[in-house]
Amino acid sequence: DVKVTQSSRYLVKRTGEKVFLECVQDMDHENMFWYRQDPGLGLRLIYFSYDVKMKEKGDIPEGYSVSREKKERFSLILESASTNQTSMYLCASSPEGTSNTEAFFGQGTRLTVV
Amino acid sequence: QKEVEQDPGPLSVPEGAIVSLNCTYSNSAFQYFMWYRQYSRKGPELLMYTYSSGNKEDGRFTAQVDKSSKYISLFIRDSQPSDSATYLCAIDAGGTSYGKLTFGQGTILTVHP
Repeated sequence: DVKVTQSSRYLVKRTGEKVFLECVQDMDHENMFWYRQDPGLGLRLIYFSYDVKMKEKGDIPEGYSVSREKKERFSLILESASTNQTSMYLCASSPEGTSNTEAFFGQGTRLTVV
Repeated sequence: QKEVEQDPGPLSVPEGAIVSLNCTYSNSAFQYFMWYRQYSRKGPELLMYTYSSGNKEDGRFTAQVDKSSKYISLFIRDSQPSDSATYLCAIDAGGTSYGKLTFGQGTILTVHP
């Protein structure tokens, strides 16, 4: 059973803080993703990685960075948190493949920046 | 124009009703079409996926794709209160997209007893 685990369900951080969101998957998946979910906007891709130490920008990378030092772990970093980064953050993983690969999601981290 | 547009709802229906959820997309290169269901305070989970135009049925759920119109639908028959959730359409371009998904805005569905 695929499991994607995000380290925190809820986080409250102050403006300007550096924030780390951690995600671990246990199915040896090559691809990992970070999305944010906002009402009326759906899920928007921030960054993704298709291999260890590889990263690619998604649609809204500004203000974020990522790290993938190990295959199972993909970290999202908010260099200097701002109130407009208050959101639900969802991590996902999927196996390697070029045709319809199901993405498995974590339970989400609701981040509030005050 | 957004690549994927989804009827935002919210939608509230009585138990037993037929529900229709819809999305349109703009990029004809999109190949794989999915519906995810997201319960409150949970991550999305895959409900159905289709590749070609036509219908795909799974129990009470039917996914429909019309590539000529760039239109995808999810029908839920005999809706149940347990179907209350947010439904997200998602599209994968395939090829070298590495499984990146483009999502619609989501439709909140409530089925009341």
